Amino acid sequence: QVQLVESGGGVVQPGGSLRLSCAASGFTFSSYGMHWVRQAPGKGLEWVAFIRYDGSNKYYADSVKGRFTISRDNSKNTLYLQMNSLRAEDTAVYYCAKADGYEIDYWGQGTLVTVSS
Amino acid sequence: EIVLTQSPGTLSLSPGERATLSCRASQSVSSSYLAWYQQKPGQAPRLLIYGASSRATGIPDRFSGSGSGTDFTLTISRLEPEDFAVYYCQQYGSSQYTFGQGTKLEIK
Repeated sequence: QVQLVESGGGVVQPGGSLRLSCAASGFTFSSYGMHWVRQAPGKGLEWVAFIRYDGSNKYYADSVKGRFTISRDNSKNTLYLQMNSLRAEDTAVYYCAKADGYEIDYWGQGTLVTVSS
Repeated sequence: EIVLTQSPGTLSLSPGERATLSCRASQSVSSSYLAWYQQKPGQAPRLLIYGASSRATGIPDRFSGSGSGTDFTLTISRLEPEDFAVYYCQQYGSSQYTFGQGTKLEIK
């Protein structure tokens, strides 16, 4: 069965950096695009970034463009999100999610990122 | 960026009743690019509908999606106790994905 396990969340000061990882299993990782989606405490879902199956194209939400970088290592079945210049408003649960066409068919359980001094 | 506006913000209904949730886009969205998700407290979202009207694997037939252009609807024909949750629509367009702000379906 499909499993997506995020790691790397934690508490970081404003202006700091953090790298999230997502270990994928149960499907052919190298054949599917992948997303990061976040959810601030008590708020709705916000799409963050998408990467094509081969890493050839990457898309970002305007709110994170220039600060966050999505990447993948298909040899390790792992998705990454490098987050720099973090702000208080980046505080959220970050979900790794598998794309199927233009929708998301599987989600991880999320990892919490807290930006606070 | 295409903005999705969901209404109502909160819907209070009883089990057995019919629920109609709306998702309106700020510009036309291809039906192929419109999906609906359900999220329960403390859980990750679950895909319900893709391509505006196709049910995802394992989704009961009481859930249905419809619409085109800028107006889309998620209908739950007869509410079961486990259907009370938050529902989000999502679209893809111009290399951007966006979610609506969500509709909370609560027990009356």
